[in-house]
Amino acid sequence: DADVTQTPRNRITKTGKRIMLECSQTKGHDRMYWYRQDPGLGLRLIYYSFDVKDINKGEISDGYSVSRQAQAKFSLSLESAIPNQTALYFCATSDLSRTEWYEQYFGPGTRLTVT
Amino acid sequence: AQKITQTQPGMFVQEKEAVTLDCTYDTSDPSYGLFWYKQPSSGEMIFLIYQGSYDQQNATEGRYSLNFQKARKSANLVISASQLGDSAMYFCAMREWSDDKVIFGPGTSLSVIP
Repeated sequence: DADVTQTPRNRITKTGKRIMLECSQTKGHDRMYWYRQDPGLGLRLIYYSFDVKDINKGEISDGYSVSRQAQAKFSLSLESAIPNQTALYFCATSDLSRTEWYEQYFGPGTRLTVT
Repeated sequence: AQKITQTQPGMFVQEKEAVTLDCTYDTSDPSYGLFWYKQPSSGEMIFLIYQGSYDQQNATEGRYSLNFQKARKSANLVISASQLGDSAMYFCAMREWSDDKVIFGPGTSLSVIP
């Protein structure tokens, strides 16, 4: 089983709808991240969380919100989806307490299309 | 300000040849890490190699090596003996110790020609 899972893997939704993307991890890491990927722009950080009570905005948090329900779960919500939020979304985890502090483990991605 | 620059949107390399993918970065934090990730057409992000700012030697992982030039703030990825399976997007990224965020560059698309 994958260490970092994302649901759904693909989603098509209409403008104005609320949508939630979910991320779960079995690695026991304390840090979790949400990125979006657009062609030519690489991955941009939306939100990140150091633990359940510590959530921080990334470079492009406008239009998004997050919830860290437990150490293993980090959800990304689009309260009112708009077409320019069409992108590939990645969840990632890392753990500074381990020797490999530098490595992030990525989920498989969620492809979101807003029509 | 752009912290990670990858100036090559796309590159071609002949199979079995070596290729260098460029990456320059900008930081004032003395403690940081530099990474390269590979993203094949299937979409997953695959960690390739890491270089710490205090590491004295260039990092190597199999056919991948990182040419770290700290004074120039560059961290180029060298792939030796290219294979068809190396065709993918490659992202350079940086993590500053003080910030704990990982910032990615825009990526370079590598195509390996048989």
